[in-house]
Amino acid sequence: AQSVTQPDIHITVSEGASLELRCNYSYGATPYLFWYVQSPGQGLQLLLKYFSGDTLVQGIKGFEAEFKRSQSSFNLRKPSVHWSDAAEYFCAVGGRPGGGNKLTFGTGTQLKVEL
Amino acid sequence: EAEVAQSPRYKITEKSQAVAFWCDPISGHATLYWYRQILGQGPELLVQFQDESVVDDSQLPKDRFSAERLKGVDSTLKIQPAELGDSAMYLCASSSHKGTEAFFGQGTRLTVV
Repeated sequence: AQSVTQPDIHITVSEGASLELRCNYSYGATPYLFWYVQSPGQGLQLLLKYFSGDTLVQGIKGFEAEFKRSQSSFNLRKPSVHWSDAAEYFCAVGGRPGGGNKLTFGTGTQLKVEL
Repeated sequence: EAEVAQSPRYKITEKSQAVAFWCDPISGHATLYWYRQILGQGPELLVQFQDESVVDDSQLPKDRFSAERLKGVDSTLKIQPAELGDSAMYLCASSSHKGTEAFFGQGTRLTVV
């Protein structure tokens, strides 16, 4: 069975500081990995995705993530956090979305940014 | 830019009543998902359609929930009767047949009182 663990429920960082959100996954084949962001009362916006190739992927809003197969991890990073980054972040794993495979989400990490 | 449309955005209903949500996926997207997101948790898949066929409804509480996508385009999720524990955000998403990501709608926030 596929699963995602996001060990940090809440994280607080100061504006301008660096950020790393952790994600560990379990999947029986080559995974498709995603990070989504959700503002309060809103739907999910895709930040970035990994399928294959370069293990460091760049996303929108200055975010990046690194796939480490040996650690089953896909951690999200940002060098300098902005106050507008405060939101909830979800890591997800699955097969190719259009291929009849479902996405399994983690429980999310709530990011608070201190000014 | 094409979007997944959901309505209503908010719904308050009394327990034991029926409630329905509607989703219109991005045009041409064959795969449609309904997710439920309880406050403080990640989205959980309720049902997945490939065109008009259900490919996964293993987590759908079939005694009270039903979903249809009759013409393989828009979809309706129904709850009858609603229970207090059904209060959640209901998210619809779609992806193309050759897609590499799922696109989410804004969701319907359901409150059962």
